[in-house]
Amino acid sequence: EAQVTQNPRYLITVTGKKLTVTCSQNMNHEYMSWYRQDPGLGLRQIYYSMNVEVTDKGDVPEGYKVSRKEKRNFPLILESPSPNQTSLYFCASSFSKGGPSVSFGSGTRLTVV
Amino acid sequence: GEDVEQSLFLSVREGDSSVINCTYTDSSSTYLYWYKQEPGAGLQLLTYIFSNMDMKQDQRLTVLLNKKDKHLSLRIADTQTGDSAIYFCAESISAGSYQLTFGKGTKLSVIP
Repeated sequence: EAQVTQNPRYLITVTGKKLTVTCSQNMNHEYMSWYRQDPGLGLRQIYYSMNVEVTDKGDVPEGYKVSRKEKRNFPLILESPSPNQTSLYFCASSFSKGGPSVSFGSGTRLTVV
Repeated sequence: GEDVEQSLFLSVREGDSSVINCTYTDSSSTYLYWYKQEPGAGLQLLTYIFSNMDMKQDQRLTVLLNKKDKHLSLRIADTQTGDSAIYFCAESISAGSYQLTFGKGTKLSVIP
């Protein structure tokens, strides 16, 4: 089944403890991105990647890192999480050309205490 | 920069039609999308329209695009309780169809 898989679905952590949220897609998509969703703010893009070893900042990149060593994986890294990073995170992937093909993962609800 | 605006809440009675509105600012957008998010779930692509179209119909869903006014609407006919969700309008930025800018979402509540 074609899908975007995020793990974990839920995570509670403490301030300053490094964490990684994984994202994997099996559709051979070139483009992958991370969004955070906050009440009243909609979805805001954190980082995106147009292909292996090519990443760029989105609208709200502060406090996050990403890497794209393989085409299928695009992990989101929080080196020192803070409570203002408590949010619902979505990974998405797409072909880079040819029309609307954006697929979203099921989301990761992160709470930083 | 790009901006997508939508009203935050809409309530309708079961069986009535729902109309969710959206305005956008980027006149060079190529595709406009409607996503549905059910409680506790991810985003599901409902429908999309290419910017050179005025209307697209897909079963109970009708999308209208007024490019002059940069106004997009989603009409759901015969609204059911299962349609209760948050609906996001999104546009693709001019750089390509894969970069999306989202509105804040409209929460649709269907009253039985």
